[in-house]
Amino acid sequence: EDQVTQSPEALRLQEGESSSLNCSYTVSGLRGLFWYRQDPGKGPEFLFTLYSAGEEKEKERLKATLTKKESFLHITAPKPEDSATYLCAVPNQAGTALIFGKGTTLSVSS
Amino acid sequence: GAGVSQTPSNKVTEKGKYVELRCDPISGHTALYWYRQSLGQGPEFLIYFQGTGAADDSGLPNDRFFAVRPEGSVSTLKIQRTERGDSAMYLCASSASVNTEAFFGQGTRLTVV
Repeated sequence: EDQVTQSPEALRLQEGESSSLNCSYTVSGLRGLFWYRQDPGKGPEFLFTLYSAGEEKEKERLKATLTKKESFLHITAPKPEDSATYLCAVPNQAGTALIFGKGTTLSVSS
Repeated sequence: GAGVSQTPSNKVTEKGKYVELRCDPISGHTALYWYRQSLGQGPEFLIYFQGTGAADDSGLPNDRFFAVRPEGSVSTLKIQRTERGDSAMYLCASSASVNTEAFFGQGTRLTVV
């Protein structure tokens, strides 16, 4: 069964304290791994797509990396506005939907 | 607007009533998805449309849930005989094609009392 597991469930950082979020997946024939950011009461906002092991993508203070079994979202020198829930997802076997993890809720305090 | 639009943003209904949730996707996007999200969980797939047809409805929890997309653009999710357990955030997303990045609307918060 295809699964996506994110850790930790919650992460509290001080402003400027870098860290990483993990997303591990079990799926046959990965057709992409997607990262989203979700603010409370809002829909998920697309961040990155990674397609192959070794691929990296960056956006401001965020960098996403991919291996054959997991992906990391690295947050460098975070700011309070980076506080949100970060979701990762992979396509299902049929390629008709995304399977999401439960997310990591990040809180950055000043 | 340029993004996915969902209406209403909030809906409160009584148990047993019928509700319709609307999704207006990004113009030109042929793929449209409905997801349901409960507090503390990731979105869970309900149904996928490619054009006008429901290509995968395996995520619909039971026959009280139905969705249509008659002209290949706007979609409506319909829930009959609502139950308190249907309370959740209902999210719509669209993408240019399957397996490309999907863009989500702001969701409809459904509360069944």
